Amino acid sequence: DQQVKQNSPSLSVQEGRISILNCDYTNSMFDYFLWYKKYPAEGPTFLISISSIKDKNEDGRFTVFLNKSAKHLSLHIVPSQPGDSAVYFCAASHISGNTGKLIFGQGTTLQVKP
Amino acid sequence: DTAVSQTPKYLVTQMGNDKSIKCEQNLGHDTMYWYKQDSKKFLKIMFSYNNKELIINETVPNRFSPKSPDKAHLNLHINSLELGDSAVYFCASSLNFRDTYDNEQFFGPGTRLTVL
Repeated sequence: DQQVKQNSPSLSVQEGRISILNCDYTNSMFDYFLWYKKYPAEGPTFLISISSIKDKNEDGRFTVFLNKSAKHLSLHIVPSQPGDSAVYFCAASHISGNTGKLIFGQGTTLQVKP
Repeated sequence: DTAVSQTPKYLVTQMGNDKSIKCEQNLGHDTMYWYKQDSKKFLKIMFSYNNKELIINETVPNRFSPKSPDKAHLNLHINSLELGDSAVYFCASSLNFRDTYDNEQFFGPGTRLTVL
């Protein structure tokens, strides 16, 4: 039972355009969401997060949107750069569960073409 | 200076063998984790320790045993390796799992285990 799903395995966009990566979750107890970025042969690195009390969080070129009613979040990258080409993982956590456990999606491979 | 390091990076071994993967973090974090990334690319939590205390123990075979000699190290020992154990194993650490919204996890580079 996969509680966090990234239904698009890959996405290709042109440099300078917007990249939109999507993530759906099923567990309504999740109250904290994160995006990680992963380059080949490296571990994931934290990108941006959002708590369920917000519907938007922005950090430079990266914005995460949360739609709790739809159990959906998205990561927007504007403008996209070739260095953004990587695998992006969405993750969710139940903060009050108090274990620090993260549930990851299966990742979306983003390719930004010059 | 690597924050979370794992050794070895690659591990190729025969079925039935016993092997260990080591993880060390120099971030001063209290909590460490082991994840498995299977062939379908899902990253799944296996264990976590906080100051040498077991916090998360997911449903994994008893052949997998984590060992934390101190809060900077969390090693993973696997007995009687099976073909299905082939995966990439990631170690991670965070300040303290109780630090709710500031509990960003830092990952190591991963260990690719291949069981023949």
